[in-house]
Amino acid sequence: GAVVSQHPSWVICKSGTSVKIECRSLDFQATTMFWYRQFPKQSLMLMATSNEGSKATYEQGVEKDKFLINHASLTLSTLTVTSAHPEDSSFYICSASDYSGGNEQFFGPGTRLTVL
Amino acid sequence: AQSVTQLGSHVSVSEGALVLLRCNYSSSVPPYLFWYVQYPNQGLQLLLKYTTGATLVKGINGFEAEFKKSETSFHLTKPSAHMSDAAEYFCAVSPNNRKLIWGLGTSLAVNP
Repeated sequence: GAVVSQHPSWVICKSGTSVKIECRSLDFQATTMFWYRQFPKQSLMLMATSNEGSKATYEQGVEKDKFLINHASLTLSTLTVTSAHPEDSSFYICSASDYSGGNEQFFGPGTRLTVL
Repeated sequence: AQSVTQLGSHVSVSEGALVLLRCNYSSSVPPYLFWYVQYPNQGLQLLLKYTTGATLVKGINGFEAEFKKSETSFHLTKPSAHMSDAAEYFCAVSPNNRKLIWGLGTSLAVNP
């Protein structure tokens, strides 16, 4: 149980284009979903927290107009990187929680974004 | 402010040797504590967690961790390392506000 999927697993795009990443909880309803960014050999950096049906809460320093998050249902959240630039290249990971197990988050496999 | 410190960004052990990955935290309230493992180019998998109750927590793949409140520690151990244990390990705490506060991670290498 508690499986989270991400799509795509990797994407290469040209600078200036927008990329959408999907995060789905496959076998549970996710009250909250989190989006992280991870640079090589570094820890996870929380970008934003989203609750179903409400606006995402962004961490300090994260541009909400650049990283658009939509959490339209209890099983789906999307992250859209708008007007992507090479510095946006990173590993993006989502997680989901239903808070039934002591704040445990279930993680997706991640999406590798490369912006040329 | 809450924080997590993982001592040692790189740990190397021989196959069959004891694995000890250190994690200390600071929190103004009793936290929930987690250890996650990340294999290359993959997401994170929960190894174990402490919420309440018994302070020695057993997880998957033979790992365990002990919550020591007096030492504000939650060190991860495994009696005998396997080659397949080579990965990045992250300690995290959640001081009841639903976010996870992450350590910087420890890269574990297992030598044959």
